[in-house]
Amino acid sequence: QQQVKQSPQSLIVQKGGISIINCAYENTAFDYFPWYQQFPGKGPALLIAIRPDVSEKKEGRFTISFNKSAKQFSLHIMDSQPGDSATYFCAASWNTGNQFYFGTGTSLTVIP
Amino acid sequence: EAGVAQSPRYKIIEKRQSVAFWCNPISGHATLYWYQQILGQGPKLLIQFQNNGVVDDSQLPKDRFSAERLKGVDSTLKIQPAKLEDSAVYLCASSALENTEAFFGQGTRLTVV
Repeated sequence: QQQVKQSPQSLIVQKGGISIINCAYENTAFDYFPWYQQFPGKGPALLIAIRPDVSEKKEGRFTISFNKSAKQFSLHIMDSQPGDSATYFCAASWNTGNQFYFGTGTSLTVIP
Repeated sequence: EAGVAQSPRYKIIEKRQSVAFWCNPISGHATLYWYQQILGQGPKLLIQFQNNGVVDDSQLPKDRFSAERLKGVDSTLKIQPAKLEDSAVYLCASSALENTEAFFGQGTRLTVV
């Protein structure tokens, strides 16, 4: 059973555009929702994370929007750049030190 | 701060052979994870350690996979015998006990032929 569902599978955006990736979860016990960025040949790296007590978190060009009632969260990349081209994974976890359940990933390509 | 170290980076073996991967987590991190990432999919947890104890190994195929973290620091993941479907990237991650953020290594890409 896929604990976290992610869409789209791939995304192509023009430089300067907005990239939006969506995730949905079922387990209401999840209380930590990170987004990871992965470049080819590298391990996933934490990009930004949110807890369900806030509806939005922004760090630079990256924003997480969180809808607790709908059990959905999304990543918005503003002013997308070619260097943002990577695979993005959403994930969910609960309590400190528990495992992360990952989405299936979104391959983002930003065209110059 | 040094990151999570994994070796080897790449490994090609024939089916039914055995293979071992090594991971050295970030110094002081009590929690260590092994994830399997099949091409085109998200990482899936195989086993989680807290210090030298197993927290979760429910998704580890125990008939062929084994892992240990004897001194609560570095860890070894072994596959014996390997199957074609074990071809994947094996990621090691670690986190501090009081923190949710997990730091990943670069992974070991295993190809079983």
